[in-house]
Parts: sequence; structure tokens; C-alpha cells
Amino acid sequence: SQQGEEDPQALSIQEGENATMNCSYKTSINNLQWYRQNSGRGLVHLILIRSNEREKHSGRLRVTLDTSKKSSSLLITASRAADTASYFCATDARQAGTALIFGKGTTLSVSS
Amino acid sequence: ETGVTQTPRHLVMGMTNKKSLKCEQHLGHNAMYWYKQSAKKPLELMFVYSLEERVENNSVPSRFSPECPNSSHLFLHLHTLQPEDSALYLCASSQVLSGVYEQFFGPGTRLTVL
Repeated sequence: SQQGEEDPQALSIQEGENATMNCSYKTSINNLQWYRQNSGRGLVHLILIRSNEREKHSGRLRVTLDTSKKSSSLLITASRAADTASYFCATDARQAGTALIFGKGTTLSVSS
Repeated sequence: ETGVTQTPRHLVMGMTNKKSLKCEQHLGHNAMYWYKQSAKKPLELMFVYSLEERVENNSVPSRFSPECPNSSHLFLHLHTLQPEDSALYLCASSQVLSGVYEQFFGPGTRLTVL
């Protein structure tokens, strides 16, 4: 079964509101990453948080990681219409592997 | 999109055709990947090449055949595909360093099998 599960599957908000997406995973990890995908395009890396980190910021993005609960959250503050996209979490789940395991993603729609 | 490029961007093929997808990375990375993205399903890892050697094959049917002639190029050869193989095929690359890395994706090839 897949490693990462995002929640909710879909989220609709107004511009200026905050958007929170959650990701749960099953096995121990070295790091967790969040990616963004605009419709029908490739994924773009947003942020990486290591297993020994609890919180990380990048611009309007804030990521938290709780390894005891095997969960992570992505917060986008002051959302814009341009933030409309699908967001995926990805974990490595292996000690020395090169592959990532992605969840199904959260589709975010920001209306103006 | 100058980091990782994919061609063609769109492909329509019949079940008896043979075609190839091409991926090129200009980032100097040492690992490349093929993913399949179907509607309503998670991104599926198909193949991983590290230092030009295939290190992972996730039980992909033999009608998909990867080729990595050098560290910058990756191909996916397709033959006798099925309609359920219609999907977005994404190529990615990364520089693997002590297990901490990010992947850079190409724009994908939208494949339709008739």
C-alpha cells in the first residue's frame, strides 16, 4: 500500500485564506518532501523536512513533521489564485534508497 | 523547463504501434526516474536508474522497456500497449547524496492508447 496519504483530497478556499493539507505515512523515513503540480504538468519541489526537524518555513509555506504520529502538514498562508494546484507529499521510506513514494495528493482550489 | 525536458509532450498511439518517450536532464544529476500518473491514482514509480544502472523496476509489464544510454538521457520504449496504459508519464532526475535529495520533474508526456 502507498506510503503517503494526503488529507483532504480536495480543498476549496477564498484568496487570502490559509490552506492546510495533511499527510500521513506508515514506515520510518529519512525525510519528507512536498511537491506541487499544476494541471497536467510536472511536479515542482516545494520543501524538504528531515526526520530530525519539526518545523520548516519557506516564504508563505510552513511544514511541520511529527514522526511519533507519522504525519506532516503543509500550511499555505494568505493563499492566492495562483496557488491552485495539486499538492503531494513524498517520503523516501528506505535507508539508502533513491526512490520516493508519493501520495494521491490534495487538490487545492483558490478562488478570487 | 530547461532542467528536465521530455518529448513528445503528447502522443496518441494504437495498440500495435511502437514508440519511444525521451527524457533529457541538464542538471548534472546521477539518478533518473520514470513515473506513471493515472487519474485518481498515486504517482507510480516505474523505473529508477542510478549512475546509468537500473536499480529498480516496480513490476512494470514488459511492454515498457527503459533505456539509459548516459547519465543525461532516459528513454521509455513502448510496444503493444493497452488502453489502460493511457496516462501522463513523468521523468525526473535527482542528485543522490546520502539519501537526502529532491527530484526535478519534466513536464510529462500525455499518452493516449487507442
